[in-house]
Amino acid sequence: DTAVSQTPKYLVTQMGNDKSIKCEQNLGHDTMYWYKQDSKKFLKIMFSYNNKELIINETVPNRFSPKSPDKAHLNLHINSLELGDSAVYFCASSLRRREETQYFGPGTRLLVL
Amino acid sequence: GNSVTQMEGPVTLSEEAFLTINCTYTATGYPSLFWYVQYPGEGLQLLLKATKADDKGSNKGFEATYRKETTSFHLEKGSVQVSDSAVYFCALMGSNFGNEKLTFGTGTRLTIIP
Repeated sequence: DTAVSQTPKYLVTQMGNDKSIKCEQNLGHDTMYWYKQDSKKFLKIMFSYNNKELIINETVPNRFSPKSPDKAHLNLHINSLELGDSAVYFCASSLRRREETQYFGPGTRLLVL
Repeated sequence: GNSVTQMEGPVTLSEEAFLTINCTYTATGYPSLFWYVQYPGEGLQLLLKATKADDKGSNKGFEATYRKETTSFHLEKGSVQVSDSAVYFCALMGSNFGNEKLTFGTGTRLTIIP
């Protein structure tokens, strides 16, 4: 069984569209994260939720809205997509907040045309 | 704020060569330090970690020692294999409550040729 899964794996869309990426973890972890990896492989945290509560919200445009319906799921909705949003988005989870080991999903490669 | 600086890549080595990837950090307090590895087409995996000064993390033949005096956490392996080809990320987690995010370096792409 996949520990942290993301859908879709690839997403190609036009500028201005709205899209969502879904993430699920079956590890029983309390904390989940969204990261953005740019074309140069630089990886930066965007959001973190602990038991459905937002605990980290980095400087991210408010076009990006995370939603956690339960502690096993953390979805990312992006409005009005821009060219600069093209990146690989990784979901991750950890047993609890401040738990040092994070488990990453396989990533969602987003291309905005 | 916290930051991690690691050596620029790409790094290309022959099989069985000795590997060092340098990593230094800036942080207040006593951060925990990590090396994550990303194989082609996959997400990141924790390779090793160290949570206090002088700790040595090790896994799969890789080692790194937490050096507080030089604020470094260099990754080493005595004899690399083709299967070690990947991107390696140094990272830290701050020790202050509320500063519990991972801060990553820019990654170093390693290619091992047979």
